[in-house]
Amino acid sequence: GAVVSQHPSWVICKSGTSVKIECRSLDFQATTMFWYRQFPKQSLMLMATSNEGSKATYEQGVEKDKFLINHASLTLSTLTVTSAHPEDSSFYICSSGGANTGELFFGEGSRLTVL
Amino acid sequence: RKEVEQDPGPFNVPEGATVAFNCTYSNSASQSFFWYRQDCRKEPKLLMSVYSSGNEDGRFTAQLNRASQYISLLIRDSKLSDSATYLCVVNDRGSTLGRLYFGRGTQLTVWP
Repeated sequence: GAVVSQHPSWVICKSGTSVKIECRSLDFQATTMFWYRQFPKQSLMLMATSNEGSKATYEQGVEKDKFLINHASLTLSTLTVTSAHPEDSSFYICSSGGANTGELFFGEGSRLTVL
Repeated sequence: RKEVEQDPGPFNVPEGATVAFNCTYSNSASQSFFWYRQDCRKEPKLLMSVYSSGNEDGRFTAQLNRASQYISLLIRDSKLSDSATYLCVVNDRGSTLGRLYFGRGTQLTVWP
């Protein structure tokens, strides 16, 4: 079946550094990729929607200059957390799906810890 | 008001028990509905879609009440492997490319 591969699974970084998370669709074309964030014991919250070849659409309250999204190809979307701070520590997860399958596929998630 | 409301639990049940989870959604224009399962520190995985007529998949039964904007999931003959968090998910469009809204999840622990 369709698979979305996400890495890194875990990342620990110092405050002020930037972290890039990649999501690849392995056997389908991901025209749209959704990026979510999940804090402990909270629901997944949509951060932004990226469309291949165009600018991402950010949800209210999500800083587009802090969370840079690039979706340059139909199989790769990246999220860069710039100048990360401890409050950015969270579980980041991407998802995409085929328009005809009725199912959304999630990447394995990336757990970010900012010291 | 949150788009999707779920009782967070936790639900602690013995093996073989029947357990039911409920979920309500606020947008009456919502088009499609799902139950996802999320294991600790893992990504969500689709458990089943929820259809207007109700649907069953083995030990799992999902029901939708559009008038009450209410979704339910029933698990019969609980197994230890059913222990997870169950997410109620609502889509505001008919395809997967619409906006998804997630409930906080209901935590289930099945004990031997």
